[in-house]
Amino acid sequence: GAGVSQSPSNKVTEKGKDVELRCDPISGHTALYWYRQSLGQGLEFLIYFQGNSAPDKSGLPSDRFSAERTGGSVSTLTIQRTQQEDSAVYLCASSSQGWNEQFFGPGTRLTVL
Amino acid sequence: AQTVTQSQPEMSVQEAETVTLSCTYDTSENNYYLFWYKQPPSRQMILVIRQEAYKQQNATENRFSVNFQKAAKSFSLKISDSQLGDTAMYFCAFMKMNSGYALNFGKGTSLLVTP
Repeated sequence: GAGVSQSPSNKVTEKGKDVELRCDPISGHTALYWYRQSLGQGLEFLIYFQGNSAPDKSGLPSDRFSAERTGGSVSTLTIQRTQQEDSAVYLCASSSQGWNEQFFGPGTRLTVL
Repeated sequence: AQTVTQSQPEMSVQEAETVTLSCTYDTSENNYYLFWYKQPPSRQMILVIRQEAYKQQNATENRFSVNFQKAAKSFSLKISDSQLGDTAMYFCAFMKMNSGYALNFGKGTSLLVTP
């Protein structure tokens, strides 16, 4: 009965480094979302995976951001050449179908120095 | 694009009292979902209540209820018998049907329940 888990819970990195954030959705959930929560921008949608369909990447802010979902389960969000404005909490959510309730993980707080 | 506006950045209510949080949205869609999510200091987003736009009846979950006015594009949350554990950020969110299912959030209202 585990919920959505994310790792690490906190990540501090230096400007210019690459980071990987991990999300483990609820078992059996076919839909997976990434959101970013920052002081200036509030909660923003980044990317959406549904089953084996091509992901909806319309919310990714730049080509430094990418995400993949392996085997329809675990997802990794990668930020290349991090900038200070990337500092935020990155939230992952999953749902059994796209229109159903999204269950959120505890988030990863990313700090770029 | 849909915009969601929460005009009250901060609110305070005494324990056992009732409080209403406001939310308005702008959309040209006819079918959609609306949500209220709660985010306590633990950072965990929790669904409070959900409303389908095609339903005229306002959703209710225990002490939480909404006033959904589709024509006015308004979706307020009423919390009755407020409890200390209701202290949190509350986010109103919009979801289009049949297209992506990403949540579009408002900026949030910080609610403080005082003894």
